[in-house]
Amino acid sequence: EVQLLESGGDLVQPGGSLRLSCVASGFTFSSYAMSWVRQAPGKGLEWVSAISSSGGSTYYADSVKGRFTISRDNSRNTLYLQMNSLRVEDTAVYSCAKDRGGSYSTGFDHWGQGTLVTVSS
Amino acid sequence: DIVMTQSPDSLAVSLGERATINCKSSQSVLYSSDNKNYFAWYQQKPGQPPKLLIYWASTRESGVPDRFSGSGSGTDFTLTISSLQAEDVAVYYCQQYYSSPITFGQGTRLEIK
Repeated sequence: EVQLLESGGDLVQPGGSLRLSCVASGFTFSSYAMSWVRQAPGKGLEWVSAISSSGGSTYYADSVKGRFTISRDNSRNTLYLQMNSLRVEDTAVYSCAKDRGGSYSTGFDHWGQGTLVTVSS
Repeated sequence: DIVMTQSPDSLAVSLGERATINCKSSQSVLYSSDNKNYFAWYQQKPGQPPKLLIYWASTRESGVPDRFSGSGSGTDFTLTISSLQAEDVAVYYCQQYYSSPITFGQGTRLEIK
Protein backbone atom coordinates (compact mmCIF):
# COMPACT_ATOMS: atom_id res chain seq x y z
CA GLU A 1 0.00 0.00 0.00
CA VAL A 2 1.34 3.41 -1.01
CA GLN A 3 1.77 5.76 1.94
CA LEU A 4 2.97 9.35 2.01
CA LEU A 5 3.53 10.96 5.40
CA GLU A 6 4.31 14.65 5.61
CA SER A 7 5.80 16.47 8.58
CA GLY A 8 7.42 19.77 9.47
CA GLY A 9 4.46 22.12 9.35
CA ASP A 10 4.36 24.78 12.06
CA LEU A 11 3.47 28.35 12.96
CA VAL A 12 6.19 30.69 11.71
CA GLN A 13 6.59 34.46 11.47
CA PRO A 14 6.72 36.25 8.12
CA GLY A 15 10.22 36.07 6.74
CA GLY A 16 10.92 32.82 8.53
CA SER A 17 11.89 29.38 7.21
CA LEU A 18 10.59 25.82 7.43
CA ARG A 19 11.61 22.47 6.01
CA LEU A 20 8.87 20.02 5.13
CA SER A 21 9.48 16.28 4.74
CA CYS A 22 7.45 13.53 3.08
CA VAL A 23 8.38 9.92 3.81
CA ALA A 24 7.18 7.47 1.17
CA SER A 25 6.54 3.75 1.40
CA GLY A 26 4.81 1.00 -0.56
CA PHE A 27 6.40 1.76 -3.93
CA THR A 28 9.80 2.22 -5.56
CA PHE A 29 10.32 5.86 -4.60
CA SER A 30 13.29 6.39 -6.92
CA SER A 31 11.19 5.56 -9.99
CA TYR A 32 8.60 8.32 -9.69
CA ALA A 33 8.44 12.08 -9.93
CA MET A 34 7.01 13.83 -6.89
CA SER A 35 5.29 17.14 -6.27
CA TRP A 36 4.19 19.44 -3.48
CA VAL A 37 0.67 20.84 -3.71
CA ARG A 38 -0.86 23.29 -1.24
CA GLN A 39 -4.37 24.20 -0.26
CA ALA A 40 -5.13 27.36 1.69
CA PRO A 41 -7.99 27.02 4.21
CA GLY A 42 -11.29 26.74 2.33
CA LYS A 43 -9.58 27.27 -1.04
CA GLY A 44 -8.63 25.22 -4.07
CA LEU A 45 -5.52 23.29 -5.05
CA GLU A 46 -2.29 25.07 -5.96
CA TRP A 47 0.70 23.19 -7.33
CA VAL A 48 3.93 24.36 -5.73
CA SER A 49 6.85 22.35 -7.07
CA ALA A 50 7.84 19.09 -8.78
CA ILE A 51 10.99 17.00 -8.99
CA SER A 52 11.91 14.21 -11.38
CA SER A 53 12.60 10.69 -10.18
CA SER A 54 16.38 11.18 -10.17
CA GLY A 55 16.18 14.68 -8.72
CA GLY A 56 17.92 16.07 -11.77
CA SER A 57 15.01 18.27 -12.86
CA THR A 58 12.98 20.61 -10.69
CA TYR A 59 10.00 22.86 -11.42
CA TYR A 60 8.40 25.68 -9.43
CA ALA A 61 5.31 27.84 -9.40
CA ASP A 62 6.13 31.50 -9.98
CA SER A 63 4.72 32.32 -6.54
CA VAL A 64 7.48 30.37 -4.78
CA LYS A 65 10.37 30.52 -7.26
CA GLY A 66 13.54 31.76 -5.58
CA ARG A 67 12.12 31.16 -2.08
CA PHE A 68 11.34 27.42 -2.01
CA THR A 69 13.62 24.50 -2.91
CA ILE A 70 12.44 20.98 -3.61
CA SER A 71 14.79 18.03 -3.15
CA ARG A 72 14.72 14.31 -2.55
CA ASP A 73 16.84 11.60 -0.96
CA ASN A 74 16.09 8.37 -2.79
CA SER A 75 18.15 6.37 -0.29
CA ARG A 76 15.81 7.53 2.48
CA ASN A 77 12.58 7.50 0.39
CA THR A 78 12.06 11.10 1.43
CA LEU A 79 10.93 14.25 -0.36
CA TYR A 80 11.72 17.70 1.03
CA LEU A 81 10.56 21.27 0.61
CA GLN A 82 12.80 24.00 2.01
CA MET A 83 10.70 27.12 2.46
CA ASN A 84 12.46 30.47 3.00
CA SER A 85 11.23 34.07 3.19
CA LEU A 86 7.76 32.85 4.10
CA ARG A 87 4.80 35.15 3.54
CA VAL A 88 1.33 35.27 5.06
CA GLU A 89 -0.05 34.07 1.72
CA ASP A 90 1.98 30.85 2.00
CA THR A 91 -0.36 29.71 4.78
CA ALA A 92 -1.84 26.38 3.66
CA VAL A 93 -1.88 22.62 4.08
CA TYR A 94 1.07 21.28 2.09
CA SER A 95 0.69 17.80 0.64
CA CYS A 96 3.15 15.65 -1.22
CA ALA A 97 1.85 13.81 -4.26
CA LYS A 98 3.24 10.86 -6.16
CA ASP A 99 3.24 11.16 -9.92
CA ARG A 100 2.18 8.36 -12.22
CA GLY A 101 5.48 8.64 -14.10
CA GLY A 102 9.12 9.45 -13.59
CA SER A 103 9.85 12.66 -15.44
CA TYR A 104 7.67 15.78 -15.20
CA SER A 105 4.04 14.94 -14.58
CA THR A 106 1.33 12.64 -15.85
CA GLY A 107 -1.10 13.04 -12.97
CA PHE A 108 -0.91 12.46 -9.22
CA ASP A 109 -2.13 8.99 -8.25
CA HIS A 110 -1.42 9.16 -4.51
CA TRP A 111 -1.49 12.03 -2.05
CA GLY A 112 -0.50 12.46 1.58
CA GLN A 113 -2.83 13.93 4.19
CA GLY A 114 -0.75 17.09 4.40
CA THR A 115 0.96 19.24 7.01
CA LEU A 116 -0.26 22.70 8.03
CA VAL A 117 1.99 25.71 7.57
CA THR A 118 0.77 28.90 9.20
CA VAL A 119 2.62 32.15 8.55
CA SER A 120 1.56 34.84 10.98
CA SER A 121 3.02 37.42 13.34
CA ASP B 1 0.50 29.92 -17.61
CA ILE B 2 -2.43 27.78 -18.72
CA VAL B 3 -5.61 28.91 -16.95
CA MET B 4 -8.19 26.23 -16.19
CA THR B 5 -11.79 27.40 -15.81
CA GLN B 6 -14.47 25.07 -14.52
CA SER B 7 -18.22 25.41 -14.83
CA PRO B 8 -20.40 25.51 -12.93
CA ASP B 9 -18.88 26.49 -9.56
CA SER B 10 -21.51 24.38 -7.82
CA LEU B 11 -24.04 21.82 -8.91
CA ALA B 12 -26.97 20.03 -7.25
CA VAL B 13 -28.18 16.80 -8.83
CA SER B 14 -30.75 14.24 -7.72
CA LEU B 15 -29.63 10.75 -6.77
CA GLY B 16 -29.49 8.51 -9.84
CA GLU B 17 -29.37 11.43 -12.24
CA ARG B 18 -26.49 12.51 -14.49
CA ALA B 19 -23.99 15.12 -13.34
CA THR B 20 -21.81 17.01 -15.81
CA ILE B 21 -18.85 19.25 -15.01
CA ASN B 22 -16.99 21.22 -17.64
CA CYS B 23 -13.43 22.52 -17.79
CA LYS B 24 -11.88 24.83 -20.35
CA SER B 25 -8.15 25.47 -20.70
CA SER B 26 -6.77 28.78 -21.98
CA GLN B 27 -4.65 26.90 -24.53
CA SER B 28 -4.61 23.41 -25.96
CA VAL B 29 -3.24 20.63 -23.76
CA LEU B 30 -3.15 18.16 -26.64
CA TYR B 31 0.45 17.14 -27.32
CA SER B 32 0.80 16.54 -31.05
CA SER B 33 3.72 14.10 -30.82
CA ASP B 34 1.72 11.47 -28.91
CA ASN B 35 -1.85 12.71 -29.53
CA LYS B 36 -2.55 12.71 -25.80
CA ASN B 37 -4.39 15.34 -23.79
CA TYR B 38 -2.29 16.15 -20.71
CA PHE B 39 -5.37 16.55 -18.53
CA ALA B 40 -6.80 14.96 -15.37
CA TRP B 41 -9.81 15.04 -13.05
CA TYR B 42 -9.70 14.71 -9.25
CA GLN B 43 -12.31 14.22 -6.54
CA GLN B 44 -11.84 15.68 -3.06
CA LYS B 45 -14.14 14.77 -0.20
CA PRO B 46 -14.17 16.82 3.03
CA GLY B 47 -11.13 16.20 5.19
CA GLN B 48 -9.49 13.98 2.59
CA PRO B 49 -6.73 14.50 0.02
CA PRO B 50 -7.70 14.59 -3.65
CA LYS B 51 -8.23 11.30 -5.48
CA LEU B 52 -7.26 10.81 -9.11
CA LEU B 53 -10.30 9.83 -11.19
CA ILE B 54 -9.29 10.33 -14.82
CA TYR B 55 -5.99 10.95 -16.63
CA TRP B 56 -5.14 11.51 -20.31
CA ALA B 57 -8.60 13.17 -20.32
CA SER B 58 -10.51 9.90 -20.62
CA THR B 59 -8.58 7.05 -18.96
CA ARG B 60 -10.21 5.94 -15.73
CA GLU B 61 -7.83 5.32 -12.83
CA SER B 62 -7.81 1.78 -11.45
CA GLY B 63 -10.64 1.22 -8.97
CA VAL B 64 -12.71 4.20 -10.06
CA PRO B 65 -16.35 3.22 -10.70
CA ASP B 66 -17.38 3.17 -14.36
CA ARG B 67 -20.12 5.71 -13.73
CA PHE B 68 -17.29 8.27 -13.93
CA SER B 69 -16.17 9.15 -17.45
CA GLY B 70 -14.05 11.86 -19.01
CA SER B 71 -14.26 13.29 -22.51
CA GLY B 72 -13.01 16.16 -24.61
CA SER B 73 -9.84 17.23 -26.36
CA GLY B 74 -7.73 20.31 -26.93
CA THR B 75 -9.24 22.99 -24.71
CA ASP B 76 -12.68 21.66 -23.71
CA PHE B 77 -13.25 18.77 -21.34
CA THR B 78 -16.14 17.16 -19.48
CA LEU B 79 -16.46 14.92 -16.44
CA THR B 80 -19.70 12.94 -16.40
CA ILE B 81 -21.14 10.95 -13.54
CA SER B 82 -23.79 8.83 -15.19
CA SER B 83 -25.89 8.01 -12.11
CA LEU B 84 -25.14 10.09 -9.03
CA GLN B 85 -24.57 8.21 -5.78
CA ALA B 86 -24.56 9.72 -2.29
CA GLU B 87 -20.83 9.03 -1.95
CA ASP B 88 -20.09 11.22 -4.97
CA VAL B 89 -20.70 14.41 -2.97
CA ALA B 90 -17.35 16.19 -3.23
CA VAL B 91 -15.42 18.98 -4.89
CA TYR B 92 -14.09 18.09 -8.33
CA TYR B 93 -10.97 19.64 -9.86
CA CYS B 94 -9.56 19.56 -13.35
CA GLN B 95 -5.80 19.79 -13.93
CA GLN B 96 -3.43 20.26 -16.84
CA TYR B 97 0.04 18.75 -16.80
CA TYR B 98 0.92 19.81 -20.35
CA SER B 99 3.34 22.49 -19.22
CA SER B 100 4.86 24.01 -16.12
CA PRO B 101 3.37 25.38 -14.01
CA ILE B 102 0.86 22.60 -13.47
CA THR B 103 -2.50 24.30 -12.96
CA PHE B 104 -5.86 23.31 -11.49
CA GLY B 105 -9.35 24.59 -12.06
CA GLN B 106 -11.04 26.45 -9.23
CA GLY B 107 -13.17 23.42 -8.30
CA THR B 108 -16.82 22.46 -8.69
CA ARG B 109 -18.84 21.56 -5.60
CA LEU B 110 -21.28 18.71 -6.27
CA GLU B 111 -24.23 18.23 -3.93
CA ILE B 112 -27.38 16.15 -3.77
CA LYS B 113 -30.63 17.90 -4.74
